[in-house]
Amino acid sequence: QSVLTQPPSVSATPGHKVNISCSGGSSNIGINYVSWYQHLPGTAPKLLIYDNEKRPSGIPARFSASKSGTSAALGITELQTGDEALYYCATWDNGLGGGVFGGGTKLTVL
Amino acid sequence: HLELQESGPGLVKPSETLSLTCSVSGGSMTTSSTYWGWVRQPPAKGLEWIGYVFYSGTTYYNPSLASRVTVSVDTSKAHFSLELTSVTAADTALYYCVRLRKGAYCSEGRCSNYWNFDLWGRGTLVTVSS
Repeated sequence: QSVLTQPPSVSATPGHKVNISCSGGSSNIGINYVSWYQHLPGTAPKLLIYDNEKRPSGIPARFSASKSGTSAALGITELQTGDEALYYCATWDNGLGGGVFGGGTKLTVL
Repeated sequence: HLELQESGPGLVKPSETLSLTCSVSGGSMTTSSTYWGWVRQPPAKGLEWIGYVFYSGTTYYNPSLASRVTVSVDTSKAHFSLELTSVTAADTALYYCVRLRKGAYCSEGRCSNYWNFDLWGRGTLVTVSS
């Protein structure tokens, strides 16, 4: 069981928006920066968001993220079938003295 | 631009040692706040970080694997390596070599850590089986 809790799956229709949540605690999300990763089938994971809300070069503005208290959320607008993937949140945990990944959320675009 | 490429055996026998190497091309390995490491994904499971190393040789390991893991770096050869001893079927996974940006932003005596895997190799499947 990860210290970061994500819903196992979410679904939405093309063109719409979806939010993926990541719930943690005061020793991780509550005080440290959150990153998000997209893992498309058959490819390497890719950094989507770092430092809570920043996008690396090349990541479309359709992907955004926010953090409030001990929770974070990834938002994807204008959904495309190509967005179907596993999405992971991650952060540092002061109590563990190491980083942690969330369990991952499978996004289905119906 | 910098690229990572894993290499190593795709099949390892139970109780033996898994050894992988990641070749780094197109950039420097000696940048501050930059670490080199390994993340794996067992079949039908999520991502798990294994360990990482700074170019100076300082290492950090996932506590759940620390007793069996060694990550090392050789900047002169532009590569870093993973050794995982006493493997079992539970170690069967896709293994990715990664670049990690790790550090902290501090303000008014309060520090917040960042921990970002910003570059990934393509991954290599390692199966543990006799």
